[in-house]
Amino acid sequence: GNSVTQMEGPVTLSEEAFLTINCTYTATGYPSLFWYVQYPGEGLQLLLKATKADDKGSNKGFEATYRKETTSFHLEKGSVQVSDSAVYFCALTEDSSYKLIFGSGTRLLVRP
Amino acid sequence: DAGVTQSPTHLIKTRGQQVTLRCSPKSGHDTVSWYQQALGQGPQFIFQYYEEEERQRGNFPDRFSGHQFPNYSSELNVNALLLGDSALYLCASSSGLAEAFFGQGTRLTVV
Repeated sequence: GNSVTQMEGPVTLSEEAFLTINCTYTATGYPSLFWYVQYPGEGLQLLLKATKADDKGSNKGFEATYRKETTSFHLEKGSVQVSDSAVYFCALTEDSSYKLIFGSGTRLLVRP
Repeated sequence: DAGVTQSPTHLIKTRGQQVTLRCSPKSGHDTVSWYQQALGQGPQFIFQYYEEEERQRGNFPDRFSGHQFPNYSSELNVNALLLGDSALYLCASSSGLAEAFFGQGTRLTVV
């Protein structure tokens, strides 16, 4: 079945460091891909999305490119801030399906 | 816009009991999905309601049931609670196949 695999955390960085969180997926057809963020004690917020191959999603300095040839959707940010500390989830929706399939999440800790 | 609201925020139940969780979707949204998020894990899809009917269901037992009302709000019911049902239950609303907006969740603890 369809699935999402994320790098295990926690990822610990100093402020202003470069961030990469790896995400790969297995899917039939042409899924849409998402990154969600969960701050402590809160629900999920959509960070960015891409709906077809080679699309780049971007928001708040974060970027991810839909790479069909490598089935990947890695999250990047050029300079992280302490306020970016959270858990990040990669997810996909299958063709003609309404459900989101999530990875297990990657915790990011940014130190001053 | 109040966004997606869920109630209660926290709940403690005893094994074998039944629980009902509630969700009000974001204004303009007609579709409600429920997810279970165990500690340290990603959310798992339980089911989705549209036009007051269950449209799609994940791999959860029949103890998990739901309902959608004419105003699009929704309830999640879990019968015969098990310790393993302890989790954060998330409600998400959407319109058509557009992006889903999540509530802050209900933390259920089964003792």
